[in-house]
Amino acid sequence: GAGVSQSPSNKVTEKGKDVELRCDPISGHTALYWYRQRLGQGLEFLIYFQGNSAPDKSGLPSDRFSAERTGESVSTLTIQRTQQEDSAVYLCASSPYSGAGYEQYFGPGTRLTVT
Amino acid sequence: DQQVKQNSPSLSVQEGRISILNCDYTNSMFDYFLWYKKYPAEGPTFLISISSIKDKNEDGRFTVFLNKSAKHLSLHIVPSQPGDSAVYFCAASDTNAGGTSYGKLTFGQGTILTVHP
Repeated sequence: GAGVSQSPSNKVTEKGKDVELRCDPISGHTALYWYRQRLGQGLEFLIYFQGNSAPDKSGLPSDRFSAERTGESVSTLTIQRTQQEDSAVYLCASSPYSGAGYEQYFGPGTRLTVT
Repeated sequence: DQQVKQNSPSLSVQEGRISILNCDYTNSMFDYFLWYKKYPAEGPTFLISISSIKDKNEDGRFTVFLNKSAKHLSLHIVPSQPGDSAVYFCAASDTNAGGTSYGKLTFGQGTILTVHP
């Protein structure tokens, strides 16, 4: 079946502009996660959705970052007034169950470059 | 504060030999560990996991060992194949976090494995 998809695959934007990143999880997956990977770093947790609620937003780096999810489907991550330090690969993952101990399935990521 | 560390940025191994990738963690609350493999321009794919109630888990050519007292885990790949060349990430989770575990993963920086034919 179809895996996790993300769009766009690449995004180049000017500093100060807003960007919206999209994630389509695997159908039926309850849990959805956003991570960020800066160059040479590991993946950094941003936010978790259980259904369309976000019990944990602790990883969002600033109030310029926000995310939404429609039911148990699409999620969007919005970064307002982008800064150069926002440049990274943004990865989305979904899981069939909410809880630790379950595999997370990752999308290919969106590479964001802020010039 | 890097709670999961992979101290070797890269590892080079001959085809057919064993690859050993190492990972250390500092948070004693972590009780579930995973290894992911990542090819360029793709998302990480799950390889193998281990719960803290075990010290070894095996799946084909892949074996993960966990030493809780040392807060150390390792991934063994034997025999190594050129197709195993990728970035390997160690990840950890606290299944009791906040009373409602939700699977947040804390990742290491990754180790680039190159398997030479």
